Amino acid sequence: EDKVVQSPLSLVVHEGDTVTLNCSYEVTNFRSLLWYKQEKKAPTFLFMLTSSGIEKKSGRLSSILDKKELFSILNITATQTGDSAVYLCAPWNTNFGNEKLTFGTGTRLTIIP
Amino acid sequence: EAGVVQSPRYKIIEKKQPVAFWCNPISGHNTLYWYLQNLGQGPELLIRYENEEAVDDSQLPKDRFSAERLKGVDSTLKIQPAELGDSAVYLCASSFGLYNEQFFGPGTRLTVL
Repeated sequence: EDKVVQSPLSLVVHEGDTVTLNCSYEVTNFRSLLWYKQEKKAPTFLFMLTSSGIEKKSGRLSSILDKKELFSILNITATQTGDSAVYLCAPWNTNFGNEKLTFGTGTRLTIIP
Repeated sequence: EAGVVQSPRYKIIEKKQPVAFWCNPISGHNTLYWYLQNLGQGPELLIRYENEEAVDDSQLPKDRFSAERLKGVDSTLKIQPAELGDSAVYLCASSFGLYNEQFFGPGTRLTVL
């Protein structure tokens, strides 16, 4: 059975701090891993990671994948109150006929002004 | 570009009543997903459509849930009869092909009393 574990479950930091969110996974026929940010409503796409060791960056956010150790991290530097959200990771399982994203339970990040 | 549209945004019903959710995906997106999200959990796939064909409905409780995607565009998810345990957020997402970024709608929050 596919398994995705995110840690920490919850994190409270002050504005300006740097945070690292973790995602470990066990899926059959792994293809890629996606990160999403979910505020009060729809998850919004952040990154898709396919290759190990290649960092993807978008402003203050960056992410990297380790396919050997089966984990990914999401870094946010100089955090702002607008970064407060639940961050979800989801690896793709590509079993034929059962292709799907398996979402973790998420890390709830709270930024204190 | 318009995003994924869902309606209604909120629905409160009594148990044993029927309920239906509607989704209009992003124009041109042939792949459509329905997810269920319980409080504090990540989204879980219910059904995936490729155009008008349901290619993975293995997680859909078929005794009470049904879905359709006529003409390969809009989709409707129905529950009949609803049970207390069906209270959750129902998310629709679409993508241009499998394994690409999924765009989520705002969801329908269902409360069954």
